[in-house]
Amino acid sequence: EVHLLESGGGLVQPGGSLRLSCAASGFTFSSYAMSWVRQAPGKGLEWVSGISGSGGSTYYADSVKGRFTISRDKSKNTLYLQMNSLRGEDTAVYYCALQYNYGGYFDYWGQGTLVTVSS
Amino acid sequence: EIVLTQSPGTLSLSPGERATLSCRASQSVSSSYLAWYQQKPGQAPRLLIYGASSRATGIPARFSGSGSETDFTLTITRLEPEDFAVYHCQQYGSSPRTFGQGTKVEIK
Repeated sequence: EVHLLESGGGLVQPGGSLRLSCAASGFTFSSYAMSWVRQAPGKGLEWVSGISGSGGSTYYADSVKGRFTISRDKSKNTLYLQMNSLRGEDTAVYYCALQYNYGGYFDYWGQGTLVTVSS
Repeated sequence: EIVLTQSPGTLSLSPGERATLSCRASQSVSSSYLAWYQQKPGQAPRLLIYGASSRATGIPARFSGSGSETDFTLTITRLEPEDFAVYHCQQYGSSPRTFGQGTKVEIK
């Protein structure tokens, strides 16, 4: 059974940094692409960043390019999102999502971790 | 980027009624690469439909998707109490992948 568990969220001041983690189990970690998707309070979903199964290719939304870095560690079956220069508009629940297909939709989601950027 | 516009914003219906949700794209979605997700309060989204019309594993037959190019529809034939939730569409045919703003199906 696929299981995704995010951690690392919290309260951070504008301009600060935070690293999110997503511990994965139940599938061959290095075989599938994964993404981070966020949801601001009361808003819709926004794709933030994605990474190939091997980790060799990474992708970012324009809104976070240059500030966020996605990575994965196959020895730990863990996906990461390093977030720097955080802004108020980055406040959201961050979900890790598994693309267990070759299309680009998200078959499985974690329960999310809340990031609040405020002074 | 492709902008997805969902309508209506809120749909007020009674259990047993039919729900029809719309997702309109600002440009054609290639190969009908359109997915639908259900999200309940405090929970993560759950995949319902991919490829515009294919049901995900374990999704009841009362959920169906249709459409192509710029107009897509999610239909729930007879609403069950557990179907009252927010529904999101997502296109994955072009980068970046984008979502609609969501349609809330609430109990009338």
